[in-house]
Amino acid sequence: DTGVSQDPRHKITKRGQNVTFRCDPISEHNRLYWYRQTLGQGPEFLTYFQNEAQLEKSRLLSDRFSAERPKGSFSTLEIQRTEQGDSAMYLCASSLRRTGGDSPLHFGNGTRLTVT
Amino acid sequence: AQSVTQLGSHVSVSEGALVLLRCNYSSSVPPYLFWYVQYPNQGLQLLLKYTSAATLVKGINGFEAEFKKSETSFHLTKPSAHMSDAAEYFCAFTGGGNKLTFGTGTQLKVEL
Repeated sequence: DTGVSQDPRHKITKRGQNVTFRCDPISEHNRLYWYRQTLGQGPEFLTYFQNEAQLEKSRLLSDRFSAERPKGSFSTLEIQRTEQGDSAMYLCASSLRRTGGDSPLHFGNGTRLTVT
Repeated sequence: AQSVTQLGSHVSVSEGALVLLRCNYSSSVPPYLFWYVQYPNQGLQLLLKYTSAATLVKGINGFEAEFKKSETSFHLTKPSAHMSDAAEYFCAFTGGGNKLTFGTGTQLKVEL
């Protein structure tokens, strides 16, 4: 168990630019989640995948945001035309969906985005 | 609406003193409740979870929490605080599945 890995750890970008983040979940985990955390707040759910299928998207996920998990392993989260309000910590988590219940979420260390 | 409320955004205790972090939930379905800890610039680590098996739940690092349906509470406690407990703590809720709703967090400060 090498844990959930996120890359990059920090990203500074100018308003209007596109950014992409990557998440590598725990290898045997079939569910992958994206959360966003702003300063002084708890994480807010954005979207989740079971294998390669995106099963749910939050209303927080505007059309400038897109997430993929093409082969059911790693995932990417892209933000197009970034705005200052997108500045936040983006957290990825994974879990194992199994009969009888899910394993708890394991979180990565996050990608901190600063939009200037 | 289903939600969790954490009372007190900042809590300060002396080393060796009791830690009590408060969490209340609102839910129309049987809740699954969690406590997570977050150290600076890191992700969240699960401390403990309530899934209806037992109302008193023991977690890692000496923490425990008691589910009280009559009070809709799931407060986190630790008998004796240690300096290494200083961090931010989040209560989280789900009605099933793993899409968690988090509280706003409580920053715990431990003083000598």
